[in-house]
Amino acid sequence: DQQVKQNSPSLSVQEGRISILNCDYTNSMFDYFLWYKKYPAEGPTFLISISSIKDKNEDGRFTVFLNKSAKHLSLHIVPSQPGDSAVYFCAASASKYSGGGADGLTFGKGTHLIIQP
Amino acid sequence: KAGVTQTPRYLIKTRGQQVTLSCSPISGHRSVSWYQQTPGQGLQFLFEYFSETQRNKGNFPGRFSGRQFSNSRSEMNVSTLELGDSALYLCASSSSAGGPDTQYFGPGTRLTVL
Repeated sequence: DQQVKQNSPSLSVQEGRISILNCDYTNSMFDYFLWYKKYPAEGPTFLISISSIKDKNEDGRFTVFLNKSAKHLSLHIVPSQPGDSAVYFCAASASKYSGGGADGLTFGKGTHLIIQP
Repeated sequence: KAGVTQTPRYLIKTRGQQVTLSCSPISGHRSVSWYQQTPGQGLQFLFEYFSETQRNKGNFPGRFSGRQFSNSRSEMNVSTLELGDSALYLCASSSSAGGPDTQYFGPGTRLTVL
């Protein structure tokens, strides 16, 4: 049972336009969400995160939106650039320890974003 | 600040052998997690260590084990290798200073089992 789902295996967007990557989750215990960018044969690179107490977090060209009632989050990239072409993973965690520290991350299968010139 | 480092980067083993992978976290980070990435299953959580103790474990057989040293460096061991263990093994570190945590990943070790 996939607890984090990225239903679009790939997405093609023109350079300069907005890229919107979507992610759905089923576990209501998840309270922290992250987006990672990954190139082949490399480790994921952290992009942006959001806590469940917020519904939006912005960092430069990247904005993450969280809709808790729909159990849905999205990553917006504006404007899209050729260097943004990569696989994007959505991840979620449920804080388990009173002392802080995240549980293991649960990842989606990823969306391959292709930015066309 | 140096990032997460993993050694070796590539490894070829045969079925039945055992392997040890190493991970050095970002300086000051006390939590180290391990993940397996395969084309079919994606990224899956193996286990997490904090202050030399395994704090959480994913759904993997006992052939997969790990440990953490007092300097927070961690090793992961896989015994009696199977063909299906071929994967990219990723290590991630976090400060675990309290509250939600962001994990930072190393480049991974590509293990091929023949």
